[in-house]
Amino acid sequence: QKEVEQNSGPLSVPEGAIASLNCTYSDRGSQSFFWYRQYSGKSPELIMSIYSNGDKEDGRFTAQLNKASQYVSLLIRDSQPSDSATYLCAVSGGGFKTIFGAGTRLFVKA
Amino acid sequence: DTGVSQNPRHKITKRGQNVTFRCDPISEHNRLYWYRQTLGQGPEFLTYFQNEAQLEKSRLLSDRFSAERPKGSFSTLEIQRTEQGDSAMYLCASSLESNNEKLFFGSGTQLSVL
Repeated sequence: QKEVEQNSGPLSVPEGAIASLNCTYSDRGSQSFFWYRQYSGKSPELIMSIYSNGDKEDGRFTAQLNKASQYVSLLIRDSQPSDSATYLCAVSGGGFKTIFGAGTRLFVKA
Repeated sequence: DTGVSQNPRHKITKRGQNVTFRCDPISEHNRLYWYRQTLGQGPEFLTYFQNEAQLEKSRLLSDRFSAERPKGSFSTLEIQRTEQGDSAMYLCASSLESNNEKLFFGSGTQLSVL
């Protein structure tokens, strides 16, 4: 079983819609959870971090964490073509190693 | 400060040759990480430094790979006797100890082994 699992996609949504990205993780001791965005040919860029159960909102992005279900999600409201990228879910167990999922490709159609 | 810097951006080498990559982290960041990424996959953890100490190394990492961070500043990653399977993007990231493991990545070094 992979430590961090994501649907590889592609996830295709129309411009202005809500994009929903999901991630599950296997280590119940995980303490820190992140979403990184990676444009084609570029390096990952941190967009959201969440550390406790519930929702965390930042602009058009909302991260959701459910530790009991070992589930993390990212909602992107009012999706724009510029949001088209690969979204990487990442999990840290309180040690120093952050584990990444394989990423979900998002395509926002204009 | 312009962020994490990696050199070279691209490296083409022949199988069996040694290669070395350099990473300069954000100046105040005391943690430095090396990751490897292949097409369609997420970054795979290779090794981690806190200041000059290498605290963790992936069990998947071959003995051909070695990393250093002298004086807790820049870091180098060396791959000896390269193999075609080593072809990947090698990413360096840094973080501040007090910043809850938020990673800032460099642009990466794309290695192609012919």
